[in-house]
Amino acid sequence: EAGVTQFPSHSVIEKGQTVTLRCDPISGHDNLYWYRRVMGKEIKFLLHFVKESKQDESGMPNNRFLAERTGGTYSTLKVQPAELEDSGVYFCASSQKGRGTEAFFGQGTRLTVV
Amino acid sequence: GNSVTQMEGPVTLSEEAFLTINCTYTATGYPSLFWYVQYPGEGLQLLLKATKADDKGSNKGFEATYRKETTSFHLEKGSVQVSDSAVYFCALRRSENSGYSTLTFGKGTMLLVSP
Repeated sequence: EAGVTQFPSHSVIEKGQTVTLRCDPISGHDNLYWYRRVMGKEIKFLLHFVKESKQDESGMPNNRFLAERTGGTYSTLKVQPAELEDSGVYFCASSQKGRGTEAFFGQGTRLTVV
Repeated sequence: GNSVTQMEGPVTLSEEAFLTINCTYTATGYPSLFWYVQYPGEGLQLLLKATKADDKGSNKGFEATYRKETTSFHLEKGSVQVSDSAVYFCALRRSENSGYSTLTFGKGTMLLVSP
């Protein structure tokens, strides 16, 4: 069974440009999470989908970030316009329906804004 | 709010040395505690977990005990290998009563093991 996959693995963009990150969760997983690690700091929660609905988006830094989950399958995270401080590694994770189940993480997308 | 503090790295050890990576937490309710590991070029993997006080999580020779009295979840291994070189993250999951599971992570500790 395929794990959580993220695209692209690396992205280098200029300040002011737009970037879209994609996450394909494990098939059948209702819960999908986005996290971000800025260099040298902790991994921070961004938001949580249950199927196609945003359950918790308390970690989204500002309105330049837009997350969607089409049909409750894959998810995208768009940053528009990108700023230098958006650089970091963006992780996606998914877990099965229900409380307390294990979250499986993707390899992450390394975003560099120059 | 919830927070996790873990020791600064990198931790540099020789093969077969004893490893301890300290982790303490601040949380309301009764969180579950985790150690995740990120090997070079890979994603985060769950290493071990403990869901209540005094539980011991263990996997691949690593152990950690959930100590509520000291709010700690220190990671230990008796004899490290070069292949254990990775970044280790301590994390907590908010109380089950909150409804859904989101994780609060520490900053990560890089472990470098030399032959």
